[in-house]
Amino acid sequence: DIVMTQSPDSLAVSLGERATINCKSSHSVLDSSNNKNYLAWYQQKPRQPPKLLIYWASTRESGVPDRFSGSGSGTDFTLTISSLQAEDVAVYHCQQYYLTPPTFGPGTKLEIK
Amino acid sequence: QVQLVQSGAEVKKPGASVKVSCKASGYTFTGYYIHWVRQAPGQGLEWMGWINPNSGGTDYAQKFQGRVTMTRDTSISTAYMELSRLRSDDTAVYYCARLRVGDYDFLWDYWGQGTLVTVSS
Repeated sequence: DIVMTQSPDSLAVSLGERATINCKSSHSVLDSSNNKNYLAWYQQKPRQPPKLLIYWASTRESGVPDRFSGSGSGTDFTLTISSLQAEDVAVYHCQQYYLTPPTFGPGTKLEIK
Repeated sequence: QVQLVQSGAEVKKPGASVKVSCKASGYTFTGYYIHWVRQAPGQGLEWMGWINPNSGGTDYAQKFQGRVTMTRDTSISTAYMELSRLRSDDTAVYYCARLRVGDYDFLWDYWGQGTLVTVSS
């Protein structure tokens, strides 16, 4: 199975500041046949299910604010929130959907400083 | 609007079975695969498998082979996940999720609210 790791485990950022979360996969999730990275980011607020934010490593899901962006390729990826808002407090999970079984990172808890 | 509504919390003893339901509305139930994902307390997400509501075909994660059964009832647009021989480490919130349409197999756009299953003697 592809192992996903995330850093940091938790992060405290001031309102309006930038938040950066990293994700690393044990195997490349880049499909050379279509040049797509099979990497997604989910946001999970307390007592709620995950919500899809970004897929193909950098494509925002419909309705997701443009302060959320994803980058990276191969095995190293980043989720950036350009200007943190209070409603962004959540746990963020990365997930690979390149190989079966799909696997998730352990999550990064984002809080307000 | 698309909704997946799951059954309520369950408390089970070790060795028992649990069956969680996921009722879909707002879309054509047979048009989208339903997956099941669980999350143990304070842990990450873990994929369990999927069911094709149209054909009833299934695929399970190797870890759960022999213990999990996914079924559906198209007449009431409901999918089910049954887990048997429960252990304490099966204590988790179980989610159903709808597969997002696209050129991939494991990306989900709508999720149920989750069902907490507690396994305790």
